[in-house]
Amino acid sequence: DIQMTQSPSSLSASVGDRVTITCRASQSISNYLNWYQQKPGKAPKLLIYGASTLQSGVPSRFSGSGSGTDLTLTISNLQPEDCATYYCQQSYSTLYTFGQGTKLEIK
Amino acid sequence: EVQLVESGGGLVQPGGSLRLSCAASGFTFSSYSMNWVRQAPGKGLEWVSYIDSTSYPIYYADSVKGRFTISRDNARNSLYLQMNSLRVEDTAVYYCARDRSNGSYFLFDPWGQGTLVTVSS
Repeated sequence: DIQMTQSPSSLSASVGDRVTITCRASQSISNYLNWYQQKPGKAPKLLIYGASTLQSGVPSRFSGSGSGTDLTLTISNLQPEDCATYYCQQSYSTLYTFGQGTKLEIK
Repeated sequence: EVQLVESGGGLVQPGGSLRLSCAASGFTFSSYSMNWVRQAPGKGLEWVSYIDSTSYPIYYADSVKGRFTISRDNARNSLYLQMNSLRVEDTAVYYCARDRSNGSYFLFDPWGQGTLVTVSS
């Protein structure tokens, strides 16, 4: 199975900051990488698929990049409502796997 | 509106069984593959199982293989997860999620609200 490792596991940033979350795959997954946002008590919500394509309705301050084994999620101009846990997921293999999550706190 | 609603969760003793259901509405259920994903309390997401729109192929995570069975009834727009030989470590919120493709990419959208399974004596 493909292992996904996210870093950092948590971070704290201020409104207006730019933050980056990294997802590393145990083998190349090309750009078959999705990002989800989960707020407490809620189901996850799709943000980005295909490593860099923004899901409809997602603010443009979210962006994704990378290919192969190292992929990133960047949030620019951080807003209070971005406080959440973010997960990457590989879809290269149908034995889907998620990263362990990155908890983002707004200072 | 595309909607997924899970049910069937509850408290069960170790070694027991439980059957989860996921009712789909607002889309042509028979055209989509589906997944179960779980989240233990305070932990991350763990993919559990996948079923194709035609019920073949089916895949399972190693942690549940041989104990859980995914199935679907396209006439009833419903997805199921039969969970046997339950362990304490199976305690989690269980989500169903539609497997949607966009070009060559596969993604989970939407997700249900989840149903809590607690395995405890």
